[in-house]
Amino acid sequence: GAVVSQHPSRVICKSGTSVKIECRSLDFQATTMFWYRQFPKQSLMLMATSNEGSKATYEQGVEKDKFLINHASLTLSTLTVTSAHPEDSSFYICSARDPEGDQPQHFGDGTRLSIL
Amino acid sequence: AQTVTQSQPEMSVQEAETVTLSCTYDTSESDYYLFWYKQPPSRQMILVIRQEAYKQQNATENRFSVNFQKAAKSFSLKISDSQLGDAAMYFCAYRSRVGGTSYGKLTFGQGTILTVHP
Repeated sequence: GAVVSQHPSRVICKSGTSVKIECRSLDFQATTMFWYRQFPKQSLMLMATSNEGSKATYEQGVEKDKFLINHASLTLSTLTVTSAHPEDSSFYICSARDPEGDQPQHFGDGTRLSIL
Repeated sequence: AQTVTQSQPEMSVQEAETVTLSCTYDTSESDYYLFWYKQPPSRQMILVIRQEAYKQQNATENRFSVNFQKAAKSFSLKISDSQLGDAAMYFCAYRSRVGGTSYGKLTFGQGTILTVHP
């Protein structure tokens, strides 16, 4: 079945560092990808919708200058957390919409980000 | 905007028994999709079952079935013959069929943590 690869799975870094997370669709072209944030035992909160070749659409309350999204190709979207601080520590999950497939979205395995 | 509500933060069930997880939603649309996702401790998101709003027949996938009540905007998940591997956090999700830049966007409920006792 369709697979979405998310990398890295775990990041630990110092406060002030910028961190890039990659989301790749391995066997289909994803014109739309989604980025979610999840705190422990809580729901997935949509941060932004990433559309290939255009600017991302951010949800209300999400700082676009803090969370930079780039979707330069049909198989890759990246989320960069700029100047990360401890409050940015969370679990980040991407998903990709396969317009040809049966499932609504294919999810990556997530990235656990810890800012010291 | 659509909202999805799961009013049961935690549920538990004995192995081999049946459990029902509740979900209600609010929308002004007439055509949409509803889903149940499972998130085990590995935190991978696994699609359990899906329902198209225009279909009156309730979806079934092996031990998993739904009770879709469109007028009441209710979408519960029944797990029969519960197994230890069913222990996870379960999310109800809504997806519009309307296009636009956020087409395909999922709106999730708060989640229900299911514990299965041996």
